[in-house]
Amino acid sequence: AQSVTQLDSQVPVFEEAPVELRCNYSSSVSVYLFWYVQYPNQGLQLLLKYLSGSTLVKGINGFEAEFNKSQTSFHLRKPSVHISDTAEYFCAVSENSNTGKLIFGQGTTLQVKP
Amino acid sequence: ETGVTQSPTHLIKTRGQQVTLRCSSQSGHNTVSWYQQALGQGPQFIFQYYREEENGRGNFPPRFSGLQFPNYSSELNVNALELDDSALYLCASRVALFLGGPYSTDTQYFGPGTRLTVL
Repeated sequence: AQSVTQLDSQVPVFEEAPVELRCNYSSSVSVYLFWYVQYPNQGLQLLLKYLSGSTLVKGINGFEAEFNKSQTSFHLRKPSVHISDTAEYFCAVSENSNTGKLIFGQGTTLQVKP
Repeated sequence: ETGVTQSPTHLIKTRGQQVTLRCSSQSGHNTVSWYQQALGQGPQFIFQYYREEENGRGNFPPRFSGLQFPNYSSELNVNALELDDSALYLCASRVALFLGGPYSTDTQYFGPGTRLTVL
């Protein structure tokens, strides 16, 4: 069965510092990988996705992620964070199937301090 | 703004009651999925509807049911509410280009959610 593990429940960081949010997954088949952001009292917004091809994926708001098949990881990075990046971040995986089912991790709270 | 809307925004019900949540998909999207997000957790897949039929279900009991209408709006119905049903309910819509064959990799767009509180 598929599962997603986000290794850090909270990540505090100072403004303009770099950040990495870690995500590991387990699956016996090929998968698609996603990062979503959720601001307080809002739904989920897609940051980026990996479907195939280049393992380095660039998304919105300056975020990027790297797919590492051997380590089954899909870590999210940003070289310089802003106060406005404070939010909950979710890693998700989807099998190559037609159900559209996304399996989400528990989430990582990014707290950007001034 | 994703173009996916949900109503109501908040809802308070009593244990044992029934509730209907509504979702209006983004224009042109023919597939809708529903997720339950308990406080402090990631969303969990409830089910997906394509062409008005359920075609994928997560680990939820039959008292969770849904409908999809020809205009691609949808409903989530929950009967015999339990305290543990208190959560944020999210719907997500997308275009499924070809089911029964290659997976549609089109992005799922999420609505803002309905916060359900069961007392």
